Amino acid sequence: SQKIEQNSEALNIQEGKTATLTCNYTNYSPAYLQWYRQDPGRGPVFLLLIRENEKEKRKERLKVTFDTTLKQSLFHITASQPADSATYLCALFTGTASKLTFGTGTRLQVTL
Amino acid sequence: ETGVTQTPRHLVMGMTNKKSLKCEQHLGHNAMYWYKQSAKKPLELMFVYNFKEQTENNSVPSRFSPECPNSSHLFLHLHTLQPEDSALYLCASSQDTGQLQPQHFGDGTRLSIL
Repeated sequence: SQKIEQNSEALNIQEGKTATLTCNYTNYSPAYLQWYRQDPGRGPVFLLLIRENEKEKRKERLKVTFDTTLKQSLFHITASQPADSATYLCALFTGTASKLTFGTGTRLQVTL
Repeated sequence: ETGVTQTPRHLVMGMTNKKSLKCEQHLGHNAMYWYKQSAKKPLELMFVYNFKEQTENNSVPSRFSPECPNSSHLFLHLHTLQPEDSALYLCASSQDTGQLQPQHFGDGTRLSIL
C-alpha cells in the first residue's frame, strides 16, 4: 500500500540556520507533490506544489526538491525564524485523482 | 482567514447523541472535502464532493453521513459515535478535484465522544 513517511521526531534548529525536512514515499509515482504547514489548533495551509519534471521550486525562503528516482522530496527553510515553528506536511495524490494522501508531518521548532 | 469556516470549533457529545458539523467556503470553489485527524496519525480523507456530487467515500462507517446542499456548504451528520471517533475533523475546499489544485482548510471541529 502507499506509504508516505516523514520524520516523526521533532526537528529543533537554531534561528538563522537552514531547516531540512524529508518526505519519502513508496509504491506510487505521483506527478505532483504538495507541502502544507499546520499550526497547533489550526488547519493545514498550502505552501508549495512541485511537479515531477521540476527538480526544484522556490518561494521566498522556502525551497522544495523532488527526486522521483529516490522517491523523495526535501523541504528547506533558509534563514529560519521562530515564526517558522510548526508542523510541516507533505501530500501526494494516490489512486483516484481526488484522493490527496498526507504524511504524518514533521514538527519544526526554531529557537533563538 | 482561510475562506473556509467550520462550526462549531469544539463539540462534546455522548455516544447516543446526534449532532452535525458545518463547513462553509467563501472561495467560489467547486470541490469540498472532509478529513479526520487523530493524534500521531496522518490526515485521513473521509469524503469528497465535486459540484455537489459525492465522488469519494473512503470506507467511512455509516454513523458518519455527509451532505452537500450546494458548492459552498458541507455538513457531516453524526450519530451513535464511538470513543475512537474523537478527533479533529477538518473541512477543505479546492477549485476542483484536479491534482494541481491546492486545498484550503478550515480550522476544524475538535470532537470529543464521552
